[in-house]
Amino acid sequence: QSVLTQPPSASGTPGQRVTISCSGSSSNIGSNTVNWYQQLPGTAPKLLIYSNNQRPSGVPDRFSGSKSGTSASLAISGLQSEDEADYYCAAWDDSLNGPWVFGGGTKLTVL
Amino acid sequence: QVTLKESGPVLVKPTETLTLTCTVSGFSLSNARMGVSWIRQPPGKALEWLAHIFSNDEKSYSTSLKSRLTISKDTSKSQVVLTMTNMDPVDTATYYCARIRFLEGYYFDYWGQGTLVTVSS
Repeated sequence: QSVLTQPPSASGTPGQRVTISCSGSSSNIGSNTVNWYQQLPGTAPKLLIYSNNQRPSGVPDRFSGSKSGTSASLAISGLQSEDEADYYCAAWDDSLNGPWVFGGGTKLTVL
Repeated sequence: QVTLKESGPVLVKPTETLTLTCTVSGFSLSNARMGVSWIRQPPGKALEWLAHIFSNDEKSYSTSLKSRLTISKDTSKSQVVLTMTNMDPVDTATYYCARIRFLEGYYFDYWGQGTLVTVSS
């Protein structure tokens, strides 16, 4: 049972916009920044979004992050086949759950 | 170029102690506001944070695994070592090390390729 709650799956067709949610609490998302990681099949996770909405160099601007209260979202616009992957949210947690907590991951399928 | 590489046994027996080494390059383990974490992922399951160590030697462990974990670093060798005692088949997972960076919040900006550890007799 992950501390951060994500939907187990999401899907979209090429060109569509999809969003993935991440729900937490006041001790994690509510008081700290949220990061998102992309894990392509058979590979290590890769940083996609940090500090709620910042993209590392090299990450396309099709990917965007937002946070409101104790929830966060990852949006992918102009969906492409290579976006098919698992996506994880993560945050620092100030409670005994922490200091690091992850979501259970969302498997994105491009139809 | 920042890289991290995990090394250690592929197979361990139940009750044995696992020792994993993360060798880093492209940055120093003494860099301020940086650290290294260990994170694992059982086959087909989600990521689970295990432990971290910062440049000032501050350490922290997963509450559920604290009694079994020890993390240390050798700055001169650019290595971070994780030991996990009393291994069990449920500990079968890919173990990753990742660099922690602080910029408007903490995050893992670089990850190693991971090493699959199987626990079986």
